[in-house]
Amino acid sequence: GNSVTQMEGPVTLSEEAFLTINCTYTATGYPSLFWYVQYPGEGLQLLLKATKADDKGSNKGFEATYRKETTSFHLEKGSVQVSDSAVYFCALSAANTGNQFYFGTGTSLTVIP
Amino acid sequence: GAGVSQSPSNKVTEKGKDVELRCDPISGHTALYWYRQSLGQGLEFLIYFQGNSAPDKSGLPSDRFSAERTGGSVSTLTIQRTQQEDSAVYLCASSLTGATEAFFGQGTRLTVV
Repeated sequence: GNSVTQMEGPVTLSEEAFLTINCTYTATGYPSLFWYVQYPGEGLQLLLKATKADDKGSNKGFEATYRKETTSFHLEKGSVQVSDSAVYFCALSAANTGNQFYFGTGTSLTVIP
Repeated sequence: GAGVSQSPSNKVTEKGKDVELRCDPISGHTALYWYRQSLGQGLEFLIYFQGNSAPDKSGLPSDRFSAERTGGSVSTLTIQRTQQEDSAVYLCASSLTGATEAFFGQGTRLTVV
């Protein structure tokens, strides 16, 4: 079946550090891949997405590339800010399962000044 | 509406009581999801509605949980004989048909005392 596995947190980084949050997936066919972010006290919101292999999603300085050969969609940012402190969720949606969304367990990021 | 609306935003109930949580999806969205997020935990899938198809109820934790979606729009999640372990934030999301973005509501924080 379809599933998403992301690195466990919590992750603590200093401001301006490089961020990588790993995400791998299992799916039949060609899913779309997503990163969602949940800021403290807020709801989940879409951060970026990629719908086919080799696509790169990007937003707010974050990037993730859809790698079919490694079934991965790792989230990266070159220089994190305190305001990036949040919980990040990797997710996939696949046509073979009615486009239902499958979410990873979430990775908590804290950026310290 | 402008976004996914959930009500109430907060609910405190006594153990053993029944509760109903409501979700108004974005107009025209055919897919609707319920998730549960316990304190400091990831998203736990509960149920998925897609158009007129039979819902995927595989995530409901017990037969005390049920959900319906009337007229392909509003959804109600019902928890009977609530237990303390039911305390969590219940999130609703909706999306258009296809592997498109899922939009989340702000959630209902349920506290069972």
